[in-house]
Amino acid sequence: QVQLVQSGAEVKKPGASVKVSCKASGYTFTSYYLHWVRQAPGQGLEWMGIINPSGGSTSYAQKFQGRVTMTRDTSTSIVYMELSSLRSEDTAVYYCAREVGATSNFDYWGQGSLVTVSS
Amino acid sequence: QTVVTQEPSLTVSPGGTVTLTCASSTGAVTSGYYPNWFQQKPGQAPRALIYSTSNKHSWTPARFSGSLLGGKAALTLSGVQPEDEAEYYCLLYYGGAQSYVFGTGTKVTVL
Repeated sequence: QVQLVQSGAEVKKPGASVKVSCKASGYTFTSYYLHWVRQAPGQGLEWMGIINPSGGSTSYAQKFQGRVTMTRDTSTSIVYMELSSLRSEDTAVYYCAREVGATSNFDYWGQGSLVTVSS
Repeated sequence: QTVVTQEPSLTVSPGGTVTLTCASSTGAVTSGYYPNWFQQKPGQAPRALIYSTSNKHSWTPARFSGSLLGGKAALTLSGVQPEDEAEYYCLLYYGGAQSYVFGTGTKVTVL
């Protein structure tokens, strides 16, 4: 069965970086795009960007350009999302979500990873 | 900045029907925006319901349906069940630098 299992909760200080992982299983890793989405406490969903695990190409939302880096390791079927220069407004649950190859069909989601930014 | 607007809240009686809409600040929503719909319950990850306007996932209950209505994407819940009480989000594809934008979300209360 398809599973996206994310790394655990993190607490970071302002100005630091965080790297969240999303391990995929139950399907061919390189055949599906992976997106990152975040949700601040009590707020809505916010799209951050996408990575194509096949070639590693990425596209980021303008808001996060220069601060976010998405990478993948095909040997372990893991994608990573690193966010730098953290501020309190980055406190949120970060989700990875699978897209069926360039069809805009989002199907499976990870369980979420809480990142708390606090001094 | 592109804004995707949904009704903040809707209330429906058990067994009733309710339609949620998803509007784009750039103009009419068409199938080219590949609307997706998600359901999210408190403390849970979003769950995919609808993709490409009206296509259901294998797990999507038959009472959920997607469409285009008056220049907006729409999600209709027919024969609402108490377990349908949740927040619902749409997602639209724009391409370019802002490839995807989520809607503001609709809280559906079953009362």
